This record gives sequence, C-alpha cells and structure tokens, in this order.
Amino acid sequence: GESVGLHLPTLSVQEGDNSIINCAYSNSASDYFIWYKQESGKGPQFIIDIRSNMDKRQGQRVTVLLNKTVKHLSLQIAATQPGDSAVYFCAESMSSNYKLTFGKGTLLTVNP
Amino acid sequence: EAGVAQSPRYKIIEKRQSVAFWCNPISGHATLYWYQQILGQGPKLLIQFQNNGVVDDSQLPKDRFSAERLKGVDSTLKIQPAKLEDSAVYLCASSSGLSSGNTIYFGEGSWLTVV
Repeated sequence: GESVGLHLPTLSVQEGDNSIINCAYSNSASDYFIWYKQESGKGPQFIIDIRSNMDKRQGQRVTVLLNKTVKHLSLQIAATQPGDSAVYFCAESMSSNYKLTFGKGTLLTVNP
Repeated sequence: EAGVAQSPRYKIIEKRQSVAFWCNPISGHATLYWYQQILGQGPKLLIQFQNNGVVDDSQLPKDRFSAERLKGVDSTLKIQPAKLEDSAVYLCASSSGLSSGNTIYFGEGSWLTVV
C-alpha cells in the first residue's frame, strides 16, 4: 500500500544549528502534506503544512520544502533550540479522501 | 480556544477485559478522528466521522473495536475484548471539515496498557 517514510530515524544537533528532517512519500496522488511535532507523553502538534501546488512554505523558524519530482518532503528548523527536541512526523493526504497517512517519525535531539 | 479533550489519560486492563475512551473535539469541528499509535510508530487512522456519520472505518478491527458519535459532538471508542497487541496510545483528533488543508488538531491521547 501507499506509505510515507523517513530517511533518518534519529537526528542529533547542537543548539543554535539548523536542522533538516527528511521524508519520502510514495503516493504520487497526495496533494497535501503536514509536519507534526510530538513531545514525550503528548499528542502530535501541527507545525506547518504545504499543498502540492507549492514547493516551499515558511513559518516561524521552520520551512517546508516539497519536491514532487522525487516525492520528497523536508522540514528545516532554524537556530534549533532544546525545546525543539521531539519526534517529528510527516503526513500526507489526498483531496479525494482527506485521510492522513503518517510516517514512522524522526527523533530530534538538541544538545545544549 | 479549548483543545481536543480526552479521558482517561491512562488505563491498565487485563486481556479480555473491556475499555472505553471518550473524546470531546474542538467546539464547532465537524470532523472527528480516532487514531491508534503504537510505541515507536506513527499514528494509524481507525475511524473518521463527519458529524454523526462514519466516513471511513476501513482500518477499524470491527470484531473488537467500536466507536460512536451519536450527537455529532463527543465520541466514544470501545475495545471489547482487549488483546495484548491493543496496548497503544489512542489519539482523538478533530478538524473543521473534510477539505484537504483543514488543520487536524490532536488531543493528548489515552494510554492503554493491556496485561
């Protein structure tokens, strides 16, 4: 079946560095993508989303890049802080069913 | 604005017992979801409601899991009888509609341990 996966299960960075979390998706029909942050013991928290008619979207300290040619999504976090330590999930959906499919997640650890 | 509320937060039961989880979505949100998240994995959709109707329950193990949203607001997810592999976090989420791009907000989850 279609799935969303992550290249790197863990990522460790120094405080102040930029972080890049990658995600590969396999369903070429997906047209909406979301990044969620999940801290230990909490539910997923929406970070940023992007539609398939865009290739870049910026938020506060975060940027999502979408490359539809290679079906790749990335989340860039600028000036990473200890509070950014969490598991990050990418998720995809299609306009035809509005169902979110999640990948397995990447654990980001920020070292002070 | 209040978020998605879930209870209980934690539950430990023996296998073959039953358990029920409750969810109150964000006020005005027509779409409600129940997800199952096994440790170390991403959430998996169990069932999706639009108001009080089921949109998708294709991944709900209907022999033991049931869910309802009778008045189109809060919802209950039941497991009976529970199995060891049901140990997971059960996440409720809601959104304002079925359009792709309507942000889905999650609750804190109900943590189930089956022993």
